[in-house]
Amino acid sequence: AQKITQTQPGMFVQEKEAVTLDCTYDTSDPSYGLFWYKQPSSGEMIFLIYQGSYDQQNATEGRYSLNFQKARKSANLVISASQLGDSAMYFCAMRVNVGRLYFGRGTQLTVWP
Amino acid sequence: GAGVSQSPSNKVTEKGKDVELRCDPISGHTALYWYRQRLGQGLEFLIYFQGNSAPDKSGLPSDRFSAERTGESVSTLTIQRTQQEDSAVYLCASSYLAAGVLQETQYFGPGTRLLVL
Repeated sequence: AQKITQTQPGMFVQEKEAVTLDCTYDTSDPSYGLFWYKQPSSGEMIFLIYQGSYDQQNATEGRYSLNFQKARKSANLVISASQLGDSAMYFCAMRVNVGRLYFGRGTQLTVWP
Repeated sequence: GAGVSQSPSNKVTEKGKDVELRCDPISGHTALYWYRQRLGQGLEFLIYFQGNSAPDKSGLPSDRFSAERTGESVSTLTIQRTQQEDSAVYLCASSYLAAGVLQETQYFGPGTRLLVL
């Protein structure tokens, strides 16, 4: 069975600081992809970053980076230089084969000035 | 082009009534997904369409739920005899699915907020 676990219901960070959002996953399939999405209060889901199970390097997209530790089955999202606009719900998700994504329960990030 | 659109944005219905939710995917996207998000929860997969293949209905919670897709365009999700536990945001996503590509990114619509009284 495939499973995504996000153990932090809420996180707080001061503006301009870095923050790490935790994600662990479980699958027996050697080929999988990991995704992070941002969901602001308006409700839309915004794709942030992708990491493939065979990728040798950690993915980066601007201020977002994914700390991929395959042996630990973790795929933590690191946001550098936090901004007030980063306040949102963040979801970790996994795909095995093609098709559906498996989502975690999310982490609510609050950035304060 | 335009993003994924969904209608209606909000729907309030009475228990026992049927509802239809509509999704217009991004033009050219071959794959279409429906997810459900209950308040404070993650996204729960419902159904997946890919081209002319048989849909993956493994996430539909009961036979009251059904969905159709016309070719590679519009999809409708129908909930019959709605129950209060069906209250949630229903999200549609589409993607251009290249064979065997795990990296395929799903683009989400704004969702339909369903409230069953």
